[in-house]
Amino acid sequence: DAKTTQPPSMDCAEGRAANLPCNHSTISGNEYVYWYRQIHSQGPQYIIHGLKNNETNEMASLIITEDRKSSTLILPHATLRDTAVYYCIVRVREGGGSNYKLTFGKGTLLTVNP
Amino acid sequence: DAGITQSPRHKVTETGTPVTLRCHQTENHRYMYWYRQDPGHGLRLIHYSYGVKDTDKGEVSDGYSVSRSKTEDFLLTLESATSSQTSVYFCAISEPRTVDGYTFGSGTRLTVV
Repeated sequence: DAKTTQPPSMDCAEGRAANLPCNHSTISGNEYVYWYRQIHSQGPQYIIHGLKNNETNEMASLIITEDRKSSTLILPHATLRDTAVYYCIVRVREGGGSNYKLTFGKGTLLTVNP
Repeated sequence: DAGITQSPRHKVTETGTPVTLRCHQTENHRYMYWYRQDPGHGLRLIHYSYGVKDTDKGEVSDGYSVSRSKTEDFLLTLESATSSQTSVYFCAISEPRTVDGYTFGSGTRLTVV
């Protein structure tokens, strides 16, 4: 899996948009960008993924730069319950064995303040 | 998470004793994984399985063994527990070519005294 770089922590005011950056300058053409989050003491939770186009679902939006070397996860209206560690991971989407492992970095601790 | 259950949720055991953690899924997913999470290290892969009786090592497999005799169950065994294996253990499942990636269990907090 390609390495990703994320800031260790960020703060956001409740109700405002939270923009979490991720650098993945060595990403390969067949690797997707995945975002997960982990709320304290719980298992990680899938948020969103993308290849090269911007993606949106009910939880968040994912903006991937044209050169695919970086991406931004956007939580449009952050709430206190969005306080969590957010992980940006790149890997091949399909395939068996070792290609399908998720390798977690340290992630970004997002703290949403009232 | 619905469809994946870890047991026990909490366990305290003594150094040198064998311990088995169980991950049970009802999703019929092909892949199952065991991770451990420790402060300062994040989530690290211990072992994974890509089918019944098919398993492979992850990055921190020493001191651990796994078994998968049926699709729904993936067992993690510490043959002789050590204090360094005190951790929170997460199981995950996935199915190739599905959209949503991994689904994780709620974790097992293991303390070795």
